[in-house]
Amino acid sequence: EAGVAQSPRYKIIEKRQSVAFWCNPISGHATLYWYQQILGQGPKLLIQFQNNGVVDDSQLPKDRFSAERLKGVDSTLKIQPAKLEDSAVYLCASRLPGARETQYFGPGTRLLVL
Amino acid sequence: KQEVTQIPAALSVPEGENLVLNCSFTDSAIYNLQWFRQDPGKGLTSLLLIQSSQREQTSGRLNASLDKSSGRSTLYIAASQPGDSATYLCAVTKGASNQFYFGTGTSLTVIP
Repeated sequence: EAGVAQSPRYKIIEKRQSVAFWCNPISGHATLYWYQQILGQGPKLLIQFQNNGVVDDSQLPKDRFSAERLKGVDSTLKIQPAKLEDSAVYLCASRLPGARETQYFGPGTRLLVL
Repeated sequence: KQEVTQIPAALSVPEGENLVLNCSFTDSAIYNLQWFRQDPGKGLTSLLLIQSSQREQTSGRLNASLDKSSGRSTLYIAASQPGDSATYLCAVTKGASNQFYFGTGTSLTVIP
């Protein structure tokens, strides 16, 4: 079974530039999450999708971050414009329906903002 | 707001030792607790999942316990090996949305 795929794996940009990350969840996983993990910290949830609808985006900085999951499968996370403090690993996770199901994580995209 | 704390932040042990990692959380109304392993440059791998009604889970050399009333969990690793070197994260969920609240992790180094 293929895992959660993410691209790119690494990205270096200058502040005020824009960047987009892509995630392809495990087939059949209706729930998709984006997390931000700053160096030395645990992952922090940015947004949760159920199919193509947003379940929770309370911690998403909406002035600069946006995410979509148009067809209920792949998802993109965008930052525009980027700030230095956005340097982090962005993790995507997915899971099957059902609260007892575990989340499966992708390898992450490491972003460095200069 | 749920806060999750892990102690110690870093741990270094010689190969073969048994060790315990600690996780504490402030809100005991959790749905489940999960321990993950994170290797450098990689995503998270689930190790053990404990439902709120359970007291412990075991997988091979790993044993995780949960004391919901006191807001604590421990991960016990028996006979540690260099391949166990990684960062270990605990996460708790609250509610059916399965949103994770992660701790800051414990960085483990097992010295050959």
